Amino acid sequence: QKEVEQNSGPLSVPEGAIASLNCTYSDRGSQSFFWYRQYSGKSPELIMSIYSNGDKEDGRFTAQLNKASQYVSLLIRDSQPSDSATYLCAAPNTGGFKTIFGAGTRLFVKA
Amino acid sequence: EAGVAQSPRYKIIEKRQSVAFWCNPISGHATLYWYQQILGQGPKLLIQFQNNGVVDDSQLPKDRFSAERLKGVDSTLKIQPAKLEDSAVYLCASSLGGEYTEAFFGQGTRLTVV
Repeated sequence: QKEVEQNSGPLSVPEGAIASLNCTYSDRGSQSFFWYRQYSGKSPELIMSIYSNGDKEDGRFTAQLNKASQYVSLLIRDSQPSDSATYLCAAPNTGGFKTIFGAGTRLFVKA
Repeated sequence: EAGVAQSPRYKIIEKRQSVAFWCNPISGHATLYWYQQILGQGPKLLIQFQNNGVVDDSQLPKDRFSAERLKGVDSTLKIQPAKLEDSAVYLCASSLGGEYTEAFFGQGTRLTVV
């Protein structure tokens, strides 16, 4: 089992719709989770972090964490073509000695 | 605040040659990471430094890759000799340290081995 797993996609949604991106992780000791956005040919940039069970909202983005089920998700409301990118889920392992990235989910938002 | 600086941005070398990449992290960031990202994949951690000590290098191919972080600031990653499968983007990132702090990435170095 991969340590951080994501559906590679591509996920295609129409403009204005909600995009839902999911991530599962294997290390029960992981305490923090990060979502990064990576445009083609660019470096990852942080868009959300979440540490506690439940939802965390920031503008059009909502991160959801369920530690019991070991999954974290990212919802993008009112999706825009500019949201088209690869979204990477990342989780430090127990103790935070290294950060493991998923392979990323490619999102396409159609105008 | 200045971001993570990396150089060069692009490098093309022949297989069996050597190459070195340089990274200057954000000032005050104790943790420095080198990731390898192959096209279509997520970043893979090669080595992580805490100040000038190695925290994790379990996925670093030590027969050909080496990295150092002298004085706990700048870092260099070297490949010698390079193989075709080393073609990738090499990303340097830094963070304050600890499991609750996010990593900030440099622009990366795109390496092509021919």
